[in-house]
Amino acid sequence: GAVVSQHPSRVICKSGTSVKIECRSLDFQATTMFWYRQFPKKSLMLMATSNEGSKATYEQGVEKDKFLINHASLTLSTLTVTSAHPEDSSFYICSARDISGVRTDTQYFGPGTRLTVL
Amino acid sequence: TQLLEQSPQFLSIQEGENLTVYCNSSSVFSSLQWYRQEPGEGPVLLVTVVTGGEVKKLKRLTFQFGDARKDSSLHITAAQPGDTGLYLCAGFPDNYGQNFVFGPGTRLSVLP
Repeated sequence: GAVVSQHPSRVICKSGTSVKIECRSLDFQATTMFWYRQFPKKSLMLMATSNEGSKATYEQGVEKDKFLINHASLTLSTLTVTSAHPEDSSFYICSARDISGVRTDTQYFGPGTRLTVL
Repeated sequence: TQLLEQSPQFLSIQEGENLTVYCNSSSVFSSLQWYRQEPGEGPVLLVTVVTGGEVKKLKRLTFQFGDARKDSSLHITAAQPGDTGLYLCAGFPDNYGQNFVFGPGTRLSVLP
């Protein structure tokens, strides 16, 4: 099946610093990638839709200046958490749709990035 | 309000028992996906159901898509501790643009 990777898998940082998370589709091209946040024992919450070559679309309540998204190529999207604070600590997961696959409505998820802000 | 509802939210059973998890919506979905997520990992796709009334089997897991494509079920036969995890249904509703929606999940614990 399609593979999506994330880097880093785990990051601990001090309050006020910025953290960049990468999401890569390894064996397919993805014009659209999605960024989710997941709190403990909860389902995934969509933060934004990352579109290759254009601006990301953010869900209501998600600060676009806080969570910067760049989708520079068909295989890479990055999420930068700027001036991170302890309340930003969470599990961040990306996903991608294989536009050339048999099932273009199927999403493949990365393994997630655990962010801890001290 | 959730576009997709799942029940039960929590389920703890003994190894060898059978169980069914339900995923319901008032909206029509062109397809639904079922995922399993283990702690600290991303969701892993189990199956995609597309056709109303469709039944798919994956070893001890049986997935069904409702005739009206508004609901789905996951049945596990003879559950094993390795089945423990968060089961999520998800999909693109027909009239919801490009938004992929998730159910709240069913947290299954299979005790040895």
